[in-house]
Amino acid sequence: AQSVTQLDSHVSVSEGTPVLLRCNYSSSYSPSLFWYVQHPNKGLQLLLKYTSAATLVKGINGFEAEFKKSETSFHLTKPSAHMSDAAEYFCVVSDQDGGSQGNLIFGKGTKLSVKP
Amino acid sequence: GAGVSQSPSNKVTEKGKDVELRCDPISGHTALYWYRQSLGQGLEFLIYFQGNSAPDKSGLPSDRFSAERTGGSVSTLTIQRTQQEDSAVYLCASSLASRANSYEQYFGPGTRLTVT
Repeated sequence: AQSVTQLDSHVSVSEGTPVLLRCNYSSSYSPSLFWYVQHPNKGLQLLLKYTSAATLVKGINGFEAEFKKSETSFHLTKPSAHMSDAAEYFCVVSDQDGGSQGNLIFGKGTKLSVKP
Repeated sequence: GAGVSQSPSNKVTEKGKDVELRCDPISGHTALYWYRQSLGQGLEFLIYFQGNSAPDKSGLPSDRFSAERTGGSVSTLTIQRTQQEDSAVYLCASSLASRANSYEQYFGPGTRLTVT
């Protein structure tokens, strides 16, 4: 069975400092992995996805994530946090090999706070 | 263009009553997904449709939950004899097709259901 574990429920950073949101996955297959963001009172938005191409994936708003098979990790990073990055972030794995079915399995989420 | 819309945005109902939640996917999207986001359980998959058929109903928590999709477009999630543990935000997503690693899922804003 597929699963993801987000290691921190809450991360707080100062504006302009790096962001690291940690995620580990468990998968019987070659996984498809995603990061989604949910701003308050807004819908979920896809930040980036990994689908067995390049292991370093670049997403929107300056975020990127690196797929490390040896560590079963898919951590999300950004060099410099902005106030508008404050939101909840979800690490997600697709439920089927190659994502053929499409339903997603979500981590518990990490709430990112950005201090001025 | 128009995104995924859901109605109502908020619903308060008494325990034991039936409720219907509606999802309007993005035009042309053949795949439609329902998820539930609750405090204790995080974000969990309920059911998905490819066209009008639902190949996977495994996520429905009980037989009080059902969903249908007509005309390959609008979907309705019905909860019969609601219980307090059904209180959650119900999210709908749609995508061009059901391969998660190829087609982004676009999420609606959700319906917040409160069972009193």
